[in-house]
Amino acid sequence: GAGVSQSPSNKVTEKGKDVELRCDPISGHTALYWYRQSLGQGLEFLIYFQGNSAPDKSGLPSDRFSAERTGGSVSTLTIQRTQQEDSAVYLCASSLAGLNQPQHFGDGTRLSIL
Amino acid sequence: GEDVEQSLFLSVREGDSSVINCTYTDSSSTYLYWYKQEPGAGLQLLTYIFSNMDMKQDQRLTVLLNKKDKHLSLRIADTQTGDSAIYFCAGGSYIPTFGRGTSLIVHP
Repeated sequence: GAGVSQSPSNKVTEKGKDVELRCDPISGHTALYWYRQSLGQGLEFLIYFQGNSAPDKSGLPSDRFSAERTGGSVSTLTIQRTQQEDSAVYLCASSLAGLNQPQHFGDGTRLSIL
Repeated sequence: GEDVEQSLFLSVREGDSSVINCTYTDSSSTYLYWYKQEPGAGLQLLTYIFSNMDMKQDQRLTVLLNKKDKHLSLRIADTQTGDSAIYFCAGGSYIPTFGRGTSLIVHP
């Protein structure tokens, strides 16, 4: 389909392991966002990529979290040395260029840390 | 930054109208959005309104914006069981800030 694609849809891992989450945005969307949604909570902004500009990392909760976006398209969110409090749904969204554009979301990756 | 507040739950009878309310703090928001999230899915954009508008209607959905009070509402006419979901409002002048979501429960 033409929507935002995220993989895996579910990930279960042991505390202390590293995980990588992938997001494939809508073709032509230059802006890409990562959010975290914990149970019963709203969306917590993590990181924002816009074109070739330096990403806005202001929402990353610790230095265990990092993200990259290769070739202005696919993005990977990496969590190192996972902790139980990292358990959440990680949502990716993309949009056209420009601030405050309507965002299109993927179905998310549900991450469970044992 | 922007702060967005919503009530957490709303229960309505099938066929009635639902009104979901939202307040925000950033008066420089260009757009304000309503998203719908069904179980196990991401957020689906329902509708949005420009900050220079007071009302927008789209089929069963009506969005009202009161800029003076920084209040946004979403009215769903003739609510159906398929409308049961979590509804998020979002706004802001930079990266949209989302409310915590309102769980709409539609019962027969």
